[in-house]
Amino acid sequence: AQSVAQPEDQVNVAEGNPLTVKCTYSVSGNPYLFWYVQYPNRGLQFLLKYITGDNLVKGSYGFEAEFNKSQTSFHLKKPSALVSDSALYFCAVRDDQAGTALIFGKGTTLSVSS
Amino acid sequence: DGGITQSPKYLFRKEGQNVTLSCEQNLNHDAMYWYRQDPGQGLRLIYYSQIVNDFQKGDIAEGYSVSREKKESFPLTVTSAQKNPTAFYLCASSWGAPGNQPQHFGDGTRLSIL
Repeated sequence: AQSVAQPEDQVNVAEGNPLTVKCTYSVSGNPYLFWYVQYPNRGLQFLLKYITGDNLVKGSYGFEAEFNKSQTSFHLKKPSALVSDSALYFCAVRDDQAGTALIFGKGTTLSVSS
Repeated sequence: DGGITQSPKYLFRKEGQNVTLSCEQNLNHDAMYWYRQDPGQGLRLIYYSQIVNDFQKGDIAEGYSVSREKKESFPLTVTSAQKNPTAFYLCASSWGAPGNQPQHFGDGTRLSIL
């Protein structure tokens, strides 16, 4: 069975500091991994994805994520946080052997203070 | 501009009433999805459709129904059998098979009980 976990409900960081939002997954086959961001009362916006290839994936708005197969993790990172990065972030996974649709994590609220 | 349009933005349901949420896309995407979002629970899949006149149940399909008569339209009906319908409903679409490509989301419909 496929599953995804975001162990932190909230992450707080000061503007200009690096940020990390954690995601771990469990699949039977190979994972398709995605990060999305949601602003209040809006739909989700795609940030980046990992299907295969380079373990470091670069996405929109300066975000990047590192795929770590041995730790089954796909943490979202940004070298220097902005106040405007404050939002709800979702990690999602699909198992290429078993899943037919994306499974979303419960989300992590990122709060960037000025 | 291409995108996904959900309407209405806010909807109120009376006891015993069925209500229909609209979702239209002009992205020429094959696949469309309906998700339910509750605070702290992430997104849960209600139904998805890979092609016109075909759709599959997601994890929480009970009390909901859908149709896919046109490629660009995927309406969701919340029936009176859904006893706890208050939530934020999100429609999405994507190229290709579910979970392989990024999903594009509408801005949601917030459903409440009168």
